[in-house]
Amino acid sequence: AQSVTQPDIHITVSEGASLELRCNYSYGATPYLFWYVQSPGQGLQLLLKYFSGDTLVQGIKGFEAEFKRSQSSFNLRKPSVHWSDAAEYFCAVGAVYQGGKLIFGQGTELSVKP
Amino acid sequence: EPEVTQTPSHQVTQMGQEVILRCVPISNHLYFYWYRQILGQKVEFLVSFYNNEISEKSEIFDDQFSVERPDGSNFTLKIRSTKLEDSAMYFCASSGPGTGGDSGANVLTFGAGSRLTVL
Repeated sequence: AQSVTQPDIHITVSEGASLELRCNYSYGATPYLFWYVQSPGQGLQLLLKYFSGDTLVQGIKGFEAEFKRSQSSFNLRKPSVHWSDAAEYFCAVGAVYQGGKLIFGQGTELSVKP
Repeated sequence: EPEVTQTPSHQVTQMGQEVILRCVPISNHLYFYWYRQILGQKVEFLVSFYNNEISEKSEIFDDQFSVERPDGSNFTLKIRSTKLEDSAMYFCASSGPGTGGDSGANVLTFGAGSRLTVL
């Protein structure tokens, strides 16, 4: 079955600390992978995506993610977290033949301590 | 930056009533979607729409649901007779143009959502 798992429901980090949000997927075909962020009252904003090629992808707001096929993972990282990064983060997987049918993880809520 | 606009932001309705949620996708996009998120649960795919017809729908998208692109700019989701379990945040998204591979068709832009509360 196709699925996305984000093991951490809620993470708290101190401002300036590094961050890693975990994402594991189970998918029958070659996956396209995405990270979205949702701030309160806002829609889902695309942070970054992986389709093919270099397995380390850079996104907006200083985020990056690394695709590891052997581990079926696509973890999101940021070297230094800012208070404005507090939000909910969603990992999603899809495939071109499924045209926009994304499977989302449960989401990880990030809190940032001053 | 182009954005997807959804109205209303919040709607409260009585069980059994019809609801229409509206979306204005990005103007040059060709693919349109509805997703929903029940409180505390995952964001779930409902339906995709391309070339004036449904491309794919999930098992959630039963006969109570319908979608329409009435005028070339709006994209609507109608729930004919709402149930308590339809209470959720409904997200509209659009993508494209392009086909296949690393194209715009596979990068969805989401709206801010419409929160539906069924009493």
